[in-house]
Amino acid sequence: QKEVEQDPGPLSVPEGAIVSLNCTYSNSAFQYFMWYRQYSRKGPELLMYTYSSGNKEDGRFTAQVDKSSKYISLFIRDSQPSDSATYLCAMSSASGGSYIPTFGRGTSLIVHP
Amino acid sequence: GAGVSQSPSNKVTEKGKDVELRCDPISGHTALYWYRQSLGQGLEFLIYFQGNSAPDKSGLPSDRFSAERTGGSVSTLTIQRTQQEDSAVYLCASSLSVQINTEAFFGQGTRLTVV
Repeated sequence: QKEVEQDPGPLSVPEGAIVSLNCTYSNSAFQYFMWYRQYSRKGPELLMYTYSSGNKEDGRFTAQVDKSSKYISLFIRDSQPSDSATYLCAMSSASGGSYIPTFGRGTSLIVHP
Repeated sequence: GAGVSQSPSNKVTEKGKDVELRCDPISGHTALYWYRQSLGQGLEFLIYFQGNSAPDKSGLPSDRFSAERTGGSVSTLTIQRTQQEDSAVYLCASSLSVQINTEAFFGQGTRLTVV
């Protein structure tokens, strides 16, 4: 079993839909939870970052972390075709004094007009 | 530079040849990471540097892979005697330090194809 599990999709939704992307993990030591967005043939870029459990909102994006269930989510409201990309969750902990992000496989999202 | 720069952006090589992939991190970033992204497999962690030091090389897939970093800046990932299973996108990222959790900035990657 991988440390971080993420359904690769693809997830196809109509413009304006609410999108829910999720990851589960097995390492209870993870403290920092991140979502990266990757457009085709580009490197990933940080979208959202959360420490420990709770919610964080940034515009149309909301990140949720439930450490008791080892489950994290990213919600996208009023999705746009420009949101079409691969979304990767990532997590880290201070293992041996170093924070090395561990990534999920990524979920491919397609928002069609 | 403004961001992480990787070269070449694409590389096609024959099986058995050696290849060198280069990463130029953001100025002032002491941490540098190499990941490999295969189709549908997500980002596989290979190695990280704090300064010029790579404390843990256990993520490298085989002894054909090696990496170095000089002057706390540019890093090179070398793959010897390439195999077809080495075909992937190799991504480099840098951050301020591995000792604090800060944003990792990625380059655009080197797409390696072994034929």
